[in-house]
Amino acid sequence: KQEVTQIPAALSVPEGENLVLNCSFTDSAIYNLQWFRQDPGKGLTSLLLIQSSQREQTSGRLNASLDKSSGRSTLYIAASQPGDSATYLCAVRGSNYQLIWGAGTKLIIKP
Amino acid sequence: GAGVSQSPRYKVAKRGQDVALRCDPISGHVSLFWYQQALGQGPEFLTYFQNEAQLDKSGLPSDRFFAERPEGSVSTLKIQRTQQEDSAVYLCASSLDGAAPYNEQFFGPGTRLTVL
Repeated sequence: KQEVTQIPAALSVPEGENLVLNCSFTDSAIYNLQWFRQDPGKGLTSLLLIQSSQREQTSGRLNASLDKSSGRSTLYIAASQPGDSATYLCAVRGSNYQLIWGAGTKLIIKP
Repeated sequence: GAGVSQSPRYKVAKRGQDVALRCDPISGHVSLFWYQQALGQGPEFLTYFQNEAQLDKSGLPSDRFFAERPEGSVSTLKIQRTQQEDSAVYLCASSLDGAAPYNEQFFGPGTRLTVL
């Protein structure tokens, strides 16, 4: 059974720092991995989707990498801003259609 | 058309009441998913539709939960005799074809259900 773990559960850093969020999964047989952002009281915003054949995806200050063999993904945020404060969730899609989710990393960027 | 929409955005129910949550998927999307997200947790799969057919309801936590999509578009998640443990955010997602492994799921804003 696929399990997804996100470390750390919470992170607080000063504005301007580069940071890395981690996501690990137990079954490497995935089709894709997706990073989402969730703001309090709001829905999910998809940030990056990495297909199993890809190693990384970039969007603006965000870069997500995928290492299927080791069951790991990282989300790199460059030059963090207070507006980046949110909970970041990763989800993997396996051989069925379900997304299996981590519990998220709550990120606080201090001005 | 626009993205996935859900209504109501917030629902407060007294324990024992029945509730109905609505999801309008992206036009033309064949597949529709419901997820439940408890406070401080990631979402968990509830059920999946391909057009009007409910192909998987393995995630529904009890027989008090029922979902339908009678015309293959709008879906309703119904919870009967609500309990406090049902309090959560209910997320709906749609995709072009959920069976296709590389299709992305697009999420609605969710309905936050609070059972008193």
